[in-house]
Amino acid sequence: ETGVTQTPRHLVMGMTNKKSLKCEQHLGHNAMYWYKQSAKKPLELMFVYSLEERVENNSVPSRFSPECPNSSHLFLHLHTLQPEDSALYLCASSHIPGQRVNEQFFGPGTRLTVL
Amino acid sequence: AQSVAQPEDQVNVAEGNPLTVKCTYSVSGNPYLFWYVQYPNRGLQFLLKYITGDNLVKGSYGFEAEFNKSQTSFHLKKPSALVSDSALYFCAVRDINNNDMRFGAGTRLTVKP
Repeated sequence: ETGVTQTPRHLVMGMTNKKSLKCEQHLGHNAMYWYKQSAKKPLELMFVYSLEERVENNSVPSRFSPECPNSSHLFLHLHTLQPEDSALYLCASSHIPGQRVNEQFFGPGTRLTVL
Repeated sequence: AQSVAQPEDQVNVAEGNPLTVKCTYSVSGNPYLFWYVQYPNRGLQFLLKYITGDNLVKGSYGFEAEFNKSQTSFHLKKPSALVSDSALYFCAVRDINNNDMRFGAGTRLTVKP
């Protein structure tokens, strides 16, 4: 509906597993974002990609590894996560600054549970 | 760095009454301000934005917001609330010089019949 899709919608993983979250946007945007949403906390911006280059990494632990192979796709690779990493992970996309004032469009999120 | 405060975790209103969801911001330069809504099990949906010009901004679903520079506020309003407006509302600010959007913690709006 918003033009940004995320898979899977739900993921349960053990602390020793490796998994990946996928995001795809069909809006012709050239900036993509990963956010972490935990209960009663502001959205935490994790990573920003602009024109497929990472431009921001907000002190995110190395157990989270993003990948942006092209302007339409964004991945978040997960390994050796901790239970406190359980959250809703949201992907968003927008135009880059300078092109227009760019609200971000969000996907439905992946609900991650780390056991 | 820019920041946003939503002072109320929860707002309860009766259907048909006006609603206000509060937001204050801090930014070094001129702000771009946004409101988003999140329904259960969904991502955030864009409602409206303030860029420049008229301080009263109209958005989706009958919502509007008023930019007040002196009070650094951008409160969301609706003249007559609907039960279907019940959701989580996020205010966000971006500095015009970068693409770093900062969100508030969210305000849960409950509209009772």
